[in-house]
Amino acid sequence: EDKVVQSPLSLVVHEGDTVTLNCSYEVTNFRSLLWYKQEKKAPTFLFMLTSSGIEKKSGRLSSILDKKELFSILNITATQTGDSAVYLCAAIRGAGGTSYGKLTFGQGTILTVHP
Amino acid sequence: DTAVSQTPKYLVTQMGNDKSIKCEQNLGHDTMYWYKQDSKKFLKIMFSYNNKELIINETVPNRFSPKSPDKAHLNLHINSLELGDSAVYFCASSQGFGGRNYGYTFGSGTRLTVV
Repeated sequence: EDKVVQSPLSLVVHEGDTVTLNCSYEVTNFRSLLWYKQEKKAPTFLFMLTSSGIEKKSGRLSSILDKKELFSILNITATQTGDSAVYLCAAIRGAGGTSYGKLTFGQGTILTVHP
Repeated sequence: DTAVSQTPKYLVTQMGNDKSIKCEQNLGHDTMYWYKQDSKKFLKIMFSYNNKELIINETVPNRFSPKSPDKAHLNLHINSLELGDSAVYFCASSQGFGGRNYGYTFGSGTRLTVV
């Protein structure tokens, strides 16, 4: 069975701190890894990572995938209170077997940023 | 101009009842999904339809039955509701099966409470 594990489960920091969220995966025919931010409602898309070692950046957020060690990290620099949310990572199963396209989520990291 | 819309947003119902949740997307995507998010925020896939064809059918009770009348709609019908069905149900869509084009877009969720 596919498995995605995130750590830490929760994190409390102060504005201006830098945080690193971890995501490890064991997925049959792994294709890509996604990061989402979930506030009160729907998860919103942050990054999709398919190639190993290529950093993706969007403002203060960046993420990278290591397909050899089967993990990804999400970095947030100069955190703000608006970054407080649940951060979810999910792995997509690729072609070559059953359930192509299946998205398996980790349990999420609850990030709280205090002023 | 909601991209993925679910109705209703909230549903409170008694055990044993039958209820439906509707989902519509106006993004022109060809794949739609239902996810269940439990009280610990863990998102788990239930079903996936690609061009109206059932692709992923995870181990969920037979009381749950998805229906896709066309590519833009994926409804979820639940028979004989049980207390354990209480959760937030998210609909999602993607273009390109497996979310290969920029991930998935989620609806805002339906919070189902069974009493």
